[in-house]
Amino acid sequence: AQKITQTQPGMFVQEKEAVTLDCTYDTSDQSYGLFWYKQPSSGEMIFLIYQGSYDEQNATEGRYSLNFQKARKSANLVISASQLGDSAMYFCAMREGLNFGNEKLTFGTGTRLTIIP
Amino acid sequence: DTGVSQDPRHKITKRGQNVTFRCDPISEHNRLYWYRQTLGQGPEFLTYFQNEAQLEKSRLLSDRFSAERPKGSFSTLEIQRTEQGDSAMYLCATPTGGATDTQYFGPGTRLTVL
Repeated sequence: AQKITQTQPGMFVQEKEAVTLDCTYDTSDQSYGLFWYKQPSSGEMIFLIYQGSYDEQNATEGRYSLNFQKARKSANLVISASQLGDSAMYFCAMREGLNFGNEKLTFGTGTRLTIIP
Repeated sequence: DTGVSQDPRHKITKRGQNVTFRCDPISEHNRLYWYRQTLGQGPEFLTYFQNEAQLEKSRLLSDRFSAERPKGSFSTLEIQRTEQGDSAMYLCATPTGGATDTQYFGPGTRLTVL
């Protein structure tokens, strides 16, 4: 079974609108972390936001927020007021166990977001 | 700029040749990760080091692949007898430490095997 599922291969959004990128995950661990990364066409992976499984508040970082619904095992990324520079691939990732010394990440297949002027 | 550098950024080689990539991590971090990303997929874990010790290897790391971190600083990933299926982006990452231990990635090495 897929550990991270991103069901939207591609999305087109008008500039300045908000967009939600979906991510569901599967784990039997009680302690885990969820991450979102952005990958522009240049290829580098840029960290956006983190949510720990025990965090009660949804994470926010500037225009990025993570809609964490633990019971549904979903961790959707919300980008407010989208900009042309937001056009990129977006990956959801999970780190299981949160054991010190092993930060191995499992990634989804990504969503390609295109912002339309 | 994450402080993680990789060299070369692009490599084109013919099938059957050997290639070696290098990763220079953020200097104070003792753990270093390698991932491989094929077209249309997310990165997949290959292996990781704590200092010079290689602690875990994925099943993706066939016997043609070898990784080293001789002095616990930079790391190399070598692929022997390259195959067209090895064409991918090879990413190196180090954790930031702290509560989240977020991994920061280098710019990657894009390998094309002809």
